[in-house]
Amino acid sequence: EAQVTQNPRYLITVTGKKLTVTCSQNMNHEYMSWYRQDPGLGLRQIYYSMNVEVTDKGDVPEGYKVSRKEKRNFPLILESPSPNQTSLYFCASRPLAGGLQETQYFGPGTRLLVL
Amino acid sequence: TQLLEQSPQFLSIQEGENLTVYCNSSSVFSSLQWYRQEPGEGPVLLVTVVTGGEVKKLKRLTFQFGDARKDSSLHITAAQPGDTGLYLCAGGRSNYKLTFGKGTLLTVNP
Repeated sequence: EAQVTQNPRYLITVTGKKLTVTCSQNMNHEYMSWYRQDPGLGLRQIYYSMNVEVTDKGDVPEGYKVSRKEKRNFPLILESPSPNQTSLYFCASRPLAGGLQETQYFGPGTRLLVL
Repeated sequence: TQLLEQSPQFLSIQEGENLTVYCNSSSVFSSLQWYRQEPGEGPVLLVTVVTGGEVKKLKRLTFQFGDARKDSSLHITAAQPGDTGLYLCAGGRSNYKLTFGKGTLLTVNP
């Protein structure tokens, strides 16, 4: 089954404790992206990657890092989480060739609470 | 950052009614996508429109992209409880970046 998986689905942590949210897709997609969803603010793009070792900032990259060492994986790293990073996070992937006309598939989300 | 305004923010209707959700911007987008999101899940793409004036139909859903590619609408005919969800529009700013609206939360009551 074609899918985007995220782990963990739920995470409670404390300020300053480094964490990684993993994202994996089994569709051989070149493009992957991370979003956060907050009440009243909607979905905002954090980082995206066009292919292995190629990443770029979205609209809200501060406080986040990403890496793309393998095509299928695109982890989101919070080096020193703060309470304002409490949010619902989504990973997404799609083929690169057709641009935004390609279907973008979203993962199930990771709900993060930073105390 | 280009903004997409969705209206209404909330909509509660009875089964069988028609409804329209709007997505407006002062900026031009290269494409416009509509997603539906259910609680506890990620958004699911419904349609992508790329040409000004384009109209696409998906069963009881009709999507329209404005002539100037700054706005879009989603019309649902004879809404059903299964249509309940959060409807999101998203504008393409390049091949890599999407700007999402804040969403319209639709509830269809039996």
